[in-house]
Amino acid sequence: GAGVSQSPSNKVTEKGKDVELRCDPISGHTALYWYRQSLGQGLEFLIYFQGNSAPDKSGLPSDRFSAERTGGSVSTLTIQRTQQEDSAVYLCASRIPYTGRGANVLTFGAGSRLTVL
Amino acid sequence: KNEVEQSPQNLTAQEGEFITINCSYSVGISALHWLQQHPGGGIVSLFMLSSGKKKHGRLIATINIQEKHSSLHITASHPRDSAVYICAVSRYGGSQGNLIFGKGTKLSVKP
Repeated sequence: GAGVSQSPSNKVTEKGKDVELRCDPISGHTALYWYRQSLGQGLEFLIYFQGNSAPDKSGLPSDRFSAERTGGSVSTLTIQRTQQEDSAVYLCASRIPYTGRGANVLTFGAGSRLTVL
Repeated sequence: KNEVEQSPQNLTAQEGEFITINCSYSVGISALHWLQQHPGGGIVSLFMLSSGKKKHGRLIATINIQEKHSSLHITASHPRDSAVYICAVSRYGGSQGNLIFGKGTKLSVKP
């Protein structure tokens, strides 16, 4: 697609339920990033995928959070047993291979706003 | 103390003014990013730099590695430049995607 697509754009769920957030990066972008922005807070790194390398999961806040990227394209961020503090906008970004033209540019999706009641 | 500090936190300018936003960081870095977040929430990547200076239209980004400082300049500011500007760094030796973000500078340009 023309841009990074995220779904759902809004998700309201009850505490304790599991949620899945999807990111469809720009075709050919081998690097994919997940970040989150809590209300009134700054951006926070969650996880980074680069090609076939092992992902950098160091930003995941707890073992309730996991992410996978299938076939080097679509990524799913899963939050199990959601808590109210998980409420945030979850942002996905992608980038072309580092040596490519325009490699400096991160392209962000519009985000998925998660509200945990 | 945050590893990435931005100043000012808020900035109001008149249309046409020259604007400078500052970013200081306390860790070794491999790259520094400037991002723009529009009032609707969308984020646009403006620059990624590891040395020197980059220019795109009315925007100029500079970085001084020795002083661990970067500046974002906007020339001939316009109300459409109103947004939150965010500085982020990737730690030297860490993954490219593991960015440490500043808290942002909210810019409002009045007509």
